[in-house]
Amino acid sequence: ETGVTQTPRHLVMGMTNKKSLKCEQHLGHNAMYWYKQSAKKPLELMFVYNFKEQTENNSVPSRFSPECPNSSHLFLHLHTLQPEDSALYLCASSQDGTVGNEQFFGPGTRLTVL
Amino acid sequence: QKEVEQDPGPLSVPEGAIVSLNCTYSNSAFQYFMWYRQYSRKGPELLMYTYSSGNKEDGRFTAQVDKSSKYISLFIRDSQPSDSATYLCAMSRYSSASKIIFGSGTRLSIRP
Repeated sequence: ETGVTQTPRHLVMGMTNKKSLKCEQHLGHNAMYWYKQSAKKPLELMFVYNFKEQTENNSVPSRFSPECPNSSHLFLHLHTLQPEDSALYLCASSQDGTVGNEQFFGPGTRLTVL
Repeated sequence: QKEVEQDPGPLSVPEGAIVSLNCTYSNSAFQYFMWYRQYSRKGPELLMYTYSSGNKEDGRFTAQVDKSSKYISLFIRDSQPSDSATYLCAMSRYSSASKIIFGSGTRLSIRP
């Protein structure tokens, strides 16, 4: 596999469930990102990890919990979500956390919260 | 007022036409500008990156930045049906990728 992969591609969960999204990058990058993309709204950055250290948390509710065990893997743990959390969750990676280095995006996980 | 404004479209043009996609912004401190293309059921991919003002050309794509008007444009020449996608503008004041602000995207459809 090459590039950035995300699993699962689709997820339906109830508000009391706990689930995790997984992202893996095969590009040797050191920065990884979680974004939320809702219909007709701009892409929202949620979390950034640079060299496995979390460097950004954009006021994301605690029901979203990221984990970065190594520079190739990124998880987003979900619990007690709300219907308004339904969206496309995109993972991205870049060589480092600067604008000049292109972010490569995965295909996303389409999340539906019932 | 949103920091970055982008017409959501949809914009439909015939094949071969020149397409103009635009974004306006309110923060005069933005200095890094990007355009992304996102196909259905895929993540965005970077098309063009520009620092500060001026034009940048890459094949059929030209990006323009007018900082005095706080306006950026992406032109697509000889448009093809494969250009049908959503185009996102993005910009940042800082060199940190964690400070990028995205537009909401313009849906473009190229009619054969």
